[in-house]
Amino acid sequence: EAQVTQNPRYLITVTGKKLTVTCSQNMNHEYMSWYRQDPGLGLRQIYYSMNVEVTDKGDVPEGYKVSRKEKRNFPLILESPSPNQTSLYFCASSFLAGATDTQYFGPGTRLTVL
Amino acid sequence: RKEVEQDPGPFNVPEGATVAFNCTYSNSASQSFFWYRQDCRKEPKLLMSVYSSGNEDGRFTAQLNRASQYISLLIRDSKLSDSATYLCVVNTGTASKLTFGTGTRLQVTL
Repeated sequence: EAQVTQNPRYLITVTGKKLTVTCSQNMNHEYMSWYRQDPGLGLRQIYYSMNVEVTDKGDVPEGYKVSRKEKRNFPLILESPSPNQTSLYFCASSFLAGATDTQYFGPGTRLTVL
Repeated sequence: RKEVEQDPGPFNVPEGATVAFNCTYSNSASQSFFWYRQDCRKEPKLLMSVYSSGNEDGRFTAQLNRASQYISLLIRDSKLSDSATYLCVVNTGTASKLTFGTGTRLQVTL
């Protein structure tokens, strides 16, 4: 089944404790991105990747890191999480660069930072 | 002004009603337009792309007005299963950047 998977789905952590949210797609998509969704603000892009080893900042990259060592995986790293990073996170992928192609989203990761 | 603006709703309509949502965008260079549907606490899923000439998919019709910089979504004969949040999505000038509206919530009732 073609899909985007994220893990964990739910995470409660404390300020400053490094964490990684994994994202994997099995559709051989070149483009992958991370979004966060907050009430009243909608989905905002954090980082995106056009291909392996190619990443770039989105609208809200502060406090996040990403890497794209393999085509299928695009982990999101929070080196020192803070409460303002409490949010619902979605990973997405598409065959072509994001603006012209259907985005396939993962099921989301609900993160709470205490 | 926000890059993509939507009326948050909620729109409460009875089954069988016709409902329309509008979305305005600020970047006149935008080329790609979409409507996504998001069910509560779930991931967004593509509902339909929006083409210059307008397009229809069953009960759903999408229109683009470049002069006024807005897109619309019309849902005819609303079903209970149409209850969801509808996200307007626009590329904001670059090939890799999509901007999502905050969504319009639709609640269809008996």
